[in-house]
Amino acid sequence: EPEVTQTPSHQVTQMGQEVILRCVPISNHLYFYWYRQILGQKVEFLVSFYNNEISEKSEIFDDQFSVERPDGSNFTLKIRSTKLEDSAMYFCASIAGGLHGNEQFFGPGTRLTVL
Amino acid sequence: DAKTTQPPSMDCAEGRAANLPCNHSTISGNEYVYWYRQIHSQGPQYIIHGLKNNETNEMASLIITEDRKSSTLILPHATLRDTAVYYCIVRVALSYGGSQGNLIFGKGTKLSVKP
Repeated sequence: EPEVTQTPSHQVTQMGQEVILRCVPISNHLYFYWYRQILGQKVEFLVSFYNNEISEKSEIFDDQFSVERPDGSNFTLKIRSTKLEDSAMYFCASIAGGLHGNEQFFGPGTRLTVL
Repeated sequence: DAKTTQPPSMDCAEGRAANLPCNHSTISGNEYVYWYRQIHSQGPQYIIHGLKNNETNEMASLIITEDRKSSTLILPHATLRDTAVYYCIVRVALSYGGSQGNLIFGKGTKLSVKP
């Protein structure tokens, strides 16, 4: 069964460094998302992406964050200058859309640790 | 904020049916009820969704009251692997009224299946 994949599974970085989290959504899906979950807290929406542009973003998704779909298969989340409070699990998700369904499928997540 | 109310925790004996309630008294006529679960720190997993009719798939059944103000997710024969946090989320269909499909998670119900 097709699934969303994410790399790396765990990323450790120093405060102030840039990180790029990578996702490969399910191949025929058209809508893409990033969420984060700080340890012990709720899953929080960050950004949605459709037709090669951001379609919606939350207050969390400030200028330090950016997303890109560089090659038609990968979907990346970049944090320019990481802060301690960016430590969290980051989940990528995708939806097929249209007649193919509205169910959102999530990847296994990347655990980001900022030291 | 999430538009649903769920009990914070529930226990269930292995092999018995687990019935997880959700209150969504302010649901709109065009909003669906979605259920996801999260096992430990894995990515949320889609379970089932419905609009007004009861639904069943290989994982679970969804019972929606006639007034649509509440629903119950039923796991017919709970196993230890069903121990997880279960989220009930209401959402309009993708692209309806500009919806981009992002999910707003609450705290969910932590279901513990015991031997």
